[in-house]
Amino acid sequence: QKEVEQDPGPLSVPEGAIVSLNCTYSNSAFQYFMWYRQYSRKGPELLMYTYSSGNKEDGRFTAQVDKSSKYISLFIRDSQPSDSATYLCAMSLGTGGFKTIFGAGTRLFVKA
Amino acid sequence: DVKVTQSSRYLVKRTGEKVFLECVQDMDHENMFWYRQDPGLGLRLIYFSYDVKMKEKGDIPEGYSVSREKKERFSLILESASTNQTSMYLCASRRELNTEAFFGQGTRLTVV
Repeated sequence: QKEVEQDPGPLSVPEGAIVSLNCTYSNSAFQYFMWYRQYSRKGPELLMYTYSSGNKEDGRFTAQVDKSSKYISLFIRDSQPSDSATYLCAMSLGTGGFKTIFGAGTRLFVKA
Repeated sequence: DVKVTQSSRYLVKRTGEKVFLECVQDMDHENMFWYRQDPGLGLRLIYFSYDVKMKEKGDIPEGYSVSREKKERFSLILESASTNQTSMYLCASRRELNTEAFFGQGTRLTVV
């Protein structure tokens, strides 16, 4: 079983839809949770960063962490064609170790 | 604007060749990383360096080596390229181990 599971998609939605992207994980020791966005032929860039449980909102994006269920989500409101990208979840232990585990990424298409 | 620059966007090499992938960052970060990204597998850590001349193996170091002679430069070396090393290679740097990773644009390597 992979430490982090993420549905690769592709996920196709119409412009303006609410998008929900999810990851599950197996290691309850993870404390830092991240979402990266990767446009085609580019490197990933950090979108959201959360420590421990709870919600974090930034504009149209909301990151949610449920440590009891070992489940994290990224919500995109009023999705735009420019949101079309691959979204990778990532998590790390927070003990000073260098290991960040990445999900495989979900490919999102937002149709105009 | 922070920058991680990889020397090549696309490379085609022959089986058995020695291949050098170069990465330079201008943020004075101690920590630098090499990942490979394959469909369905996400980002997998090859090697990590936390200081000049210091390195740690990641999850898949076999067939690779690294060099960190200067703080800003981290090189990935494929001693004898093989077709199963055809992949997207991503370099990243971090100020601290659990902070944001800044990625280069990636090098798509094809070994024929």
